[in-house]
Amino acid sequence: DADVTQTPRNRITKTGKRIMLECSQTKGHDRMYWYRQDPGLGLRLIYYSFDVKDINKGEISDGYSVSRQAQAKFSLSLESAIPNQTALYFCATSDPTSGGEQFFGPGTRLTVL
Amino acid sequence: KQEVTQIPAALSVPEGENLVLNCSFTDSAIYNLQWFRQDPGKGLTSLLLIQSSQREQTSGRLNASLDKSSGRSTLYIAASQPGDSATYLCAVRAAGNKLTFGGGTRVLVKP
Repeated sequence: DADVTQTPRNRITKTGKRIMLECSQTKGHDRMYWYRQDPGLGLRLIYYSFDVKDINKGEISDGYSVSRQAQAKFSLSLESAIPNQTALYFCATSDPTSGGEQFFGPGTRLTVL
Repeated sequence: KQEVTQIPAALSVPEGENLVLNCSFTDSAIYNLQWFRQDPGKGLTSLLLIQSSQREQTSGRLNASLDKSSGRSTLYIAASQPGDSATYLCAVRAAGNKLTFGGGTRVLVKP
């Protein structure tokens, strides 16, 4: 089945460390997104990309960077992790030619100590 | 700025009862609205997508309606089952291709 996968699924790190979250998809979609989910704040968009050469900031991009290595791969980096970046992170994809429905990966639970 | 609200935040019903989940949004200039299901600690599963030109979408026991002019969508789940227990999220896509999510309704279906 065409799918969206995320690695790692769980990560515990320390303040100041650099970490990378990876997303891969086999859906053949051009558009990819990174969200974070926090209790009481819902899901918020961090970055999105419409193709390999396109990167756009979302509503909460400070402290994050992304890389679109290929159509199927979109990575999120935290250059210097801080405790308030503890959250559940989701990658998503969509295809505008089929209505724009977004499909989400299983998530990465990140804890910054 | 688009705001999406889901009321109630939590709902508990006996098995077999129909579920009615509400979603309201402040800016009616949307491209589409999507309903998701999320199980605890898990990812989001897309349930239904309604384009702005549509009034409703159906999939099995699920039916979602959209009234753009009043900024409302309703998700109906017929004959609820314990396996329907989850959090249900709605999200609207407007200009800028950004999905704005509601806070979700946590549903418990009691056997």
